[in-house]
Amino acid sequence: DQQVKQNSPSLSVQEGRISILNCDYTNSMFDYFLWYKKYPAEGPTFLISISSIKDKNEDGRFTVFLNKSAKHLSLHIVPSQPGDSAVYFCAAIQAGNQFYFGTGTSLTVIP
Amino acid sequence: GAVVSQHPSRVICKSGTSVKIECRSLDFQATTMFWYRQFPKQSLMLMATSNEGSKATYEQGVEKDKFLINHASLTLSTLTVTSAHPEDSSFYICSARAFGPAGYTFGSGTRLTVV
Repeated sequence: DQQVKQNSPSLSVQEGRISILNCDYTNSMFDYFLWYKKYPAEGPTFLISISSIKDKNEDGRFTVFLNKSAKHLSLHIVPSQPGDSAVYFCAAIQAGNQFYFGTGTSLTVIP
Repeated sequence: GAVVSQHPSRVICKSGTSVKIECRSLDFQATTMFWYRQFPKQSLMLMATSNEGSKATYEQGVEKDKFLINHASLTLSTLTVTSAHPEDSSFYICSARAFGPAGYTFGSGTRLTVV
């Protein structure tokens, strides 16, 4: 049972435009959400996170939005750069330790 | 920042042999480490939670006798794939929690190919 879902397996965006990656979850007990970026044959690297008590967190070009009523979060990257091309995973944590990952969205930023 | 070192990065082994993957926290102590597996074009799937000084906790469907986990110190956890078969070929990643809920650091992963 996939508790964290990323329904778009891939996304292509023109350089300089906004990339929006979406993530849905089913468990209302998740208390922390994270986004990871992953290149092929490498481990994921942490990008940005948000607590369940907030609805927005911003870090440079990256902003994460959380809509608890819809059980939905999104990652906005603006402006998108070719180096942002990677697979992005959203993840949720319950009770501080149990990680649940989405299936990933492959982002391609076209120069 | 917190660094998790994972070795080897790539390994090719013959069917029936065992392979050991190491995961080390370099500048922090990790009482808990996590082992994930990723199949092509799929998500990271948690295999087991490795606890220092005690037995690992395995996720449903993961064979304990096949994927042996040892967490003998606060900086080292090992995953041994025993009697490997081609279907065990995958990308294995470890992670450890460093500082706070966002402080999960991942190793660089190990690409295992069983021939």
